Amino acid sequence: DGGITQSPKYLFRKEGQNVTLSCEQNLNHDAMYWYRQDPGQGLRLIYYSQIVNDFQKGDIAEGYSVSREKKESFPLTVTSAQKNPTAFYLCASSQLGDINPEAFFGQGTRLTVV
Amino acid sequence: AQSVAQPEDQVNVAEGNPLTVKCTYSVSGNPYLFWYVQYPNRGLQFLLKYITGDNLVKGSYGFEAEFNKSQTSFHLKKPSALVSDSALYFCAVRDLGGSYIPTFGRGTSLIVHP
Repeated sequence: DGGITQSPKYLFRKEGQNVTLSCEQNLNHDAMYWYRQDPGQGLRLIYYSQIVNDFQKGDIAEGYSVSREKKESFPLTVTSAQKNPTAFYLCASSQLGDINPEAFFGQGTRLTVV
Repeated sequence: AQSVAQPEDQVNVAEGNPLTVKCTYSVSGNPYLFWYVQYPNRGLQFLLKYITGDNLVKGSYGFEAEFNKSQTSFHLKKPSALVSDSALYFCAVRDLGGSYIPTFGRGTSLIVHP
């Protein structure tokens, strides 16, 4: 069954701790994205990647880091430099071409600072 | 640059009545347009897309959307609303021939009353 898997579904972080959110896709998509969702603010782009070993900062990259060592995987690390990390995080993927351009999303990870 | 506006934060409709969720867009070239639905604590689910062709696009769960180039709009519609349609709806745009990254609106909360 093809799709995008995010884990964990819920994550709790202590002050000063780094945490890593997992995102795996088996859709053979080249492009992958991370978004942050806060109430009333829609989706804000954190990082994106269109090829292995290459990624670009989005609109709110400060305090976050990513890697793209495999086509299928695009993990996001929320570092201690991110001062307000409590949010819902969404991973997505899409084709790069114009035939099926829609993005597909994982089920999200809700991160809470305790 | 590309952008999307969803002018209504919330839409209320009675069950059985038709519903419309509004979306307007701005792109420099020709648009790819998308609608997604999000249920609480879940990822976004793809509903439908416009790439080219007929201005009326049919999608999942009885939803449809009408592309209007002169008004740069892509409103989501359904002839008869269900209580189970209550959710958050996002419109998104990509610029054909431009960036592959979709831009999302802020979302519209649809509430269908029994």
